[in-house]
Amino acid sequence: QVRLQESGPGLVRPSETLSLTCTVSGASMTNYFWIWLRQPPGKGMESIGYISYTGTTNYNPSLKSRVSLSVDTYRSQFSLRLTSVTAADTAVYFCARCSSTSCLGWFDPWGHGTRVIVSS
Amino acid sequence: EILLTQSPGTLSVSPGERATLSCRASQSVGRSLVWYQQKGDQPPRLLIYGADTRATDTPARFSGSGSETEFTLTISSLQSEDFAVYFCQQYINWPYSFGQGTKLDIK
Repeated sequence: QVRLQESGPGLVRPSETLSLTCTVSGASMTNYFWIWLRQPPGKGMESIGYISYTGTTNYNPSLKSRVSLSVDTYRSQFSLRLTSVTAADTAVYFCARCSSTSCLGWFDPWGHGTRVIVSS
Repeated sequence: EILLTQSPGTLSVSPGERATLSCRASQSVGRSLVWYQQKGDQPPRLLIYGADTRATDTPARFSGSGSETEFTLTISSLQSEDFAVYFCQQYINWPYSFGQGTKLDIK
């Protein structure tokens, strides 16, 4: 059974960089795309970006200038970096596996999510 | 970006009754629509994909319908474990967007 687990700091200062890692267990990362999403308090889910096991990426245009994803298949991990954070980046951050080999589809399974607060 | 609007925001239904949830898209998404269920602090669980195909382990009381811009998730006879938040997602255009969710409450 595939499991995903997010990890990283729960508090980030404004203007600094948010860094999160998703660890995949129970299956190989090969042949899949992997995605980061977030859910701000009281708002809907937002797609941040996805990455293939080979490192091909696609980012949400609204975040493209600040986001970067990376993958380490040997450690079964993929990571998110979001620079110059503001209070608007406060959210629960989820990682998930894309359903298709091009990430054209849905996400299953998801990690439990990690809450990140941007505050001084 | 395609906007998905779900209604109602909260739906109060008694166990055993039928629940009907709506998801409307700002432009056509064909049948590229998914429904998820989320309970408390648990991760979202895939229920329906392709507008009407039940995912593995999704009970038969859940059904999806619709196409283009109007979609419906129906739960035919609510069980206690069904009271949760439900949200839709489109995957025809990147960035994939989500509805705000409908909270299904016990009446």
